Amino acid sequence: AQSVTQPDIHITVSEGASLELRCNYSYGATPYLFWYVQSPGQGLQLLLKYFSGDTLVQGIKGFEAEFKRSQSSFNLRKPSVHWSDAAEYFCAVGGYGGATNKLIFGTGTLLAVQP
Amino acid sequence: SQTIHQWPATLVQPVGSPLSLECTVEGTSNPNLYWYRQAAGRGLQLLFYSVGIGQISSEVPQNLSASRPQDRQFILSSKKLLLSDSGFYLCAWSMFGQGSGELFFGEGSRLTVL
Repeated sequence: AQSVTQPDIHITVSEGASLELRCNYSYGATPYLFWYVQSPGQGLQLLLKYFSGDTLVQGIKGFEAEFKRSQSSFNLRKPSVHWSDAAEYFCAVGGYGGATNKLIFGTGTLLAVQP
Repeated sequence: SQTIHQWPATLVQPVGSPLSLECTVEGTSNPNLYWYRQAAGRGLQLLFYSVGIGQISSEVPQNLSASRPQDRQFILSSKKLLLSDSGFYLCAWSMFGQGSGELFFGEGSRLTVL
């Protein structure tokens, strides 16, 4: 069965430090992978997505993610974190499902940023 | 541009009362529509999705139901709320036919059942 694992429930980093959020997936075919961000009490905003091609994808707000098929991973990175990056981050996996876009989400990683 | 609206944003209801959450999408036609529920520490769980008017698919058995009376309107309902129905409900849409496209989410509705 398809699944997404985000092993880190909560991460704290200092402002200006680098960030890596982990995501591992289980999917029977070539996956389509997404990272979303959620501010408290808000909906989810797409940061970036991977469908095919270059395994390093760039997103909004200075984020990037690398697809590693051999490790079934799609980790999110940012070289220098800003206080406004404090939020919850969700990794999601989907595939070509015909008419639908059903995505499976991980349980999220809550990021805190220290001044 | 496309927008998605959900209401109400916050709702406090007693156990056994009915529920109606509404979601509308503007700026597109024939979207796929979704209802997700988010519980603390459990990520997002897909409850229902719809690929057209009157077409509803349920992902998990539960106390809730969904309806799509118009192309860009999606409603989540319950006849009698349970305590376990508390949570943050998110409506989302995607382009029809793009099986691997991203979802666009509304701002969410916080439901507290007392």
